[in-house]
Amino acid sequence: AQKVTQAQTEISVVEKEDVTLDCVYETRDTTYYLFWYKQPPSGELVFLIRRNSFDEQNEISGRYSWNFQKSTSSFNFTITASQVVDSAVYFCATSIRAGSYQLTFGKGTKLSVIP
Amino acid sequence: NAGVTQTPKFQVLKTGQSMTLQCAQDMNHEYMSWYRQDPGMGLRLIHYSVGAGITDQGEVPNGYNVSRSTTEDFPLRLLSAAPSQTSVYFCASSRGQGDQPQHFGDGTRLSIL
Repeated sequence: AQKVTQAQTEISVVEKEDVTLDCVYETRDTTYYLFWYKQPPSGELVFLIRRNSFDEQNEISGRYSWNFQKSTSSFNFTITASQVVDSAVYFCATSIRAGSYQLTFGKGTKLSVIP
Repeated sequence: NAGVTQTPKFQVLKTGQSMTLQCAQDMNHEYMSWYRQDPGMGLRLIHYSVGAGITDQGEVPNGYNVSRSTTEDFPLRLLSAAPSQTSVYFCASSRGQGDQPQHFGDGTRLSIL
């Protein structure tokens, strides 16, 4: 069985600060996939990024960056120069190779960016 | 393209009533799933389908039924609503392989009195 732990329940930062959201996963599969989703106050779930277990390259997309480390089973998400629009609940999730029908989610981290 | 469409957006039921949450996708995705989101619990998988005519249970299936007669539609049925089923329900669809992200509907907020 897979498990995702997001130890930070809530984080508050002042606008323009950098913030890192932690994600630790557990899986017995050698091939797996990791995802981050954003849930803004309006409630929808927005896909942010996917990583494969065999690709440990870090990724940067604008102010967002992701650090994947298999040695520590972590897939952390950093927002640089945070903005009020980044306020949301962020979910880390994992799926197995066999199919994307079954995502295992962490409990989420609520990020509040204060102007 | 509409993506994943869920109806209704809000619903209030009395204990013991039945209802069907509708989910439709227009992306020709093989896989569809239902999740429920409860405060502090993240999203938990209720049922999923890997194709028309094929469904299976997820982590929290009790009290729910599903069917998949077409690729596009995946309704979720509550046979006898209970207060413990008060939640936000999300439907999702995706292509077959595990590396494909799931696309989510906007959710249905369900309250059972």
